[in-house]
Amino acid sequence: QQQVKQSPQSLIVQKGGISIINCAYENTAFDYFPWYQQFPGKGPALLIAIRPDVSEKKEGRFTISFNKSAKQFSLHIMDSQPGDSATYFCAASSNKLIFGTGTRLQVFP
Amino acid sequence: DTAVSQTPKYLVTQMGNDKSIKCEQNLGHDTMYWYKQDSKKFLKIMFSYNNKELIINETVPNRFSPKSPDKAHLNLHINSLELGDSAVYFCASSQAGNSPLHFGNGTRLTVT
Repeated sequence: QQQVKQSPQSLIVQKGGISIINCAYENTAFDYFPWYQQFPGKGPALLIAIRPDVSEKKEGRFTISFNKSAKQFSLHIMDSQPGDSATYFCAASSNKLIFGTGTRLQVFP
Repeated sequence: DTAVSQTPKYLVTQMGNDKSIKCEQNLGHDTMYWYKQDSKKFLKIMFSYNNKELIINETVPNRFSPKSPDKAHLNLHINSLELGDSAVYFCASSQAGNSPLHFGNGTRLTVT
């Protein structure tokens, strides 16, 4: 119940394409859903977050889509750039943050 | 100014030794955490302290002991190191409740 399942494990996208990463959860007590971006040798950094009272949140090229009934949420990166190449983690929280298993995104020019 | 800083960045040691990792945050946050990231990049919470009080203690061997001398510092002491302890350990901080975590850049621990 505490798990957050993330897919795909790795993703290769051409520059300018759309990157989509999906997550699913079971625990209906989760009420905060952030996405973190991690570059090699660095700690994860918050990218964008959503609460379950909205179905979508957009910040620049990054959009979270949230489906409460399906207990799923996804990250869309529009116009993907080589600088977006990193590992992305979804997460969910009620009283503690549980991370998904990570997606390694590679964007090729 | 580094918001969450941890030292050392790299730690190579032999099995059976005792080692410590230090963490400091200058963000004025009330809550600090230790996370472990294994070779497959899985990030798992180990401990959480709020204002020097332990509030989350996941299933972690007793060989791991966190210590928070004040709310800006959270250190991790590890006794009798084992090969399986090799990982990257991240310190993080946040305000109370569901607010963003700010991570340090990690300490890569290698046990030989």
